[in-house]
Amino acid sequence: GAVVSQHPSWVICKSGTSVKIECRSLDFQATTMFWYRQFPKQSLMLMATSNEGSKATYEQGVEKDKFLINHASLTLSTLTVTSAHPEDSSFYICSARDRIITDTQYFGPGTRLTVL
Amino acid sequence: AQRVTQPEKLLSVFKGAPVELKCNYSYSGSPELFWYVQYSRQRLQLLLRHISRESIKGFTADLNKGETSFHLKKPFAQEEDSAMYYCALRTGGGNKLTFGTGTQLKVEL
Repeated sequence: GAVVSQHPSWVICKSGTSVKIECRSLDFQATTMFWYRQFPKQSLMLMATSNEGSKATYEQGVEKDKFLINHASLTLSTLTVTSAHPEDSSFYICSARDRIITDTQYFGPGTRLTVL
Repeated sequence: AQRVTQPEKLLSVFKGAPVELKCNYSYSGSPELFWYVQYSRQRLQLLLRHISRESIKGFTADLNKGETSFHLKKPFAQEEDSAMYYCALRTGGGNKLTFGTGTQLKVEL
């Protein structure tokens, strides 16, 4: 089946620094990728939809200048948390939509971000 | 706005007992419903979708538009079914998913 990877799997950073998280579709092309945030014991909340070659679409309440998304190729999307603060600590999950099988969304393993 | 409700945070059943994980949705358009499962320390994966009307790992779910429900059922629970289950609603034709809060299923011996 289709595989989506995320890197890093976990990261610890100091408050005020920026962190980049990569999401890759390993064996398929994804015109659309999605970024979710999951707090402990809570559901996945969609942050933004990332479309290859165009600007991301952010959900209401998500700061686009805080969470920079780039989708430069059909297999890679990146999420950069800028000037991270402790409240940004969370589990970030990406998913990728198969370009051919467009109704199928495959999820990455997630990235645990801890901001000190 | 669309919403997915999973009223139970935790459901504990004995092995061999029937399982029903509840899911209700709120959406003004034509809904597409999914069940996703997350086993311990693994990624989220699709379990089944209402369009397919299929049975995966013994689980089935029927979309009831009158009751706006999409409950997940299995007649005989197995230990390996222990996991987190999320109901999700797709809207807008763009594959955007709205997730419920999830139900932790624990199957005890």
